[in-house]
Amino acid sequence: EVQLVESGGGLVQPGGSLRLSCAASGFTFSSYEMNWVRQAPGKGLEWVSYISSSGSTIYYADSVKGRFTISRDNAKNSLYLQMNSLRAEDTAVYYCARGLVGAIGFDIWGQGTMVTVSS
Amino acid sequence: SYELTQPPSVSVSPGQTARITCSGDALPKQYAYWYQQKPGQAPVLVIYKDSERPSGIPERFSGSSSGTTVTLTISGVQAEDEADYYCQSADSSGTNVVFGGGTKLTVL
Repeated sequence: EVQLVESGGGLVQPGGSLRLSCAASGFTFSSYEMNWVRQAPGKGLEWVSYISSSGSTIYYADSVKGRFTISRDNAKNSLYLQMNSLRAEDTAVYYCARGLVGAIGFDIWGQGTMVTVSS
Repeated sequence: SYELTQPPSVSVSPGQTARITCSGDALPKQYAYWYQQKPGQAPVLVIYKDSERPSGIPERFSGSSSGTTVTLTISGVQAEDEADYYCQSADSSGTNVVFGGGTKLTVL
């Protein structure tokens, strides 16, 4: 079964850091582009970051540029999001999502991990 | 920054046709994708590349494109189709992915 499982969410103080992980299974992880997408409570979806299958190409939304770092370990079938200088507005469910082959959509999503930034 | 515009809500009776629009200046150049999200669940892809339907998605879901507007059509709406629907695309450079604000579909 194709599956993505996020972990690492929790409560963190403003200005703090957190590292999210996404474990992939059921498909050849190294062949797929991956993304992080977030959703603040009661709000819509917001794309956060993209990484190519090899990790050589990376993009970020302006809202997280300079604070978040996306990475992957194809040997461990894992995707990561290092989040620094966290703000209250970063509070959201964070989803990892597999990129469609040759397209910019997302065909497989994890169940998400909640990040709460609060003092 | 680039934006995709959706109506906040659409309401239809069971068996009727629901149409949800999404407008954006780059849509003539970039494909659109549609996701269904039910409360407490992750989004599910229902249409990709404007009008293609993933395997496992019912035939009543279809997509179309005309100029700067794309449309998700749900024919013969069922109660289980009540959900939030999001369109998604990218800016003209293809490096910034954007979601529409979402449309809440209510089945009366």
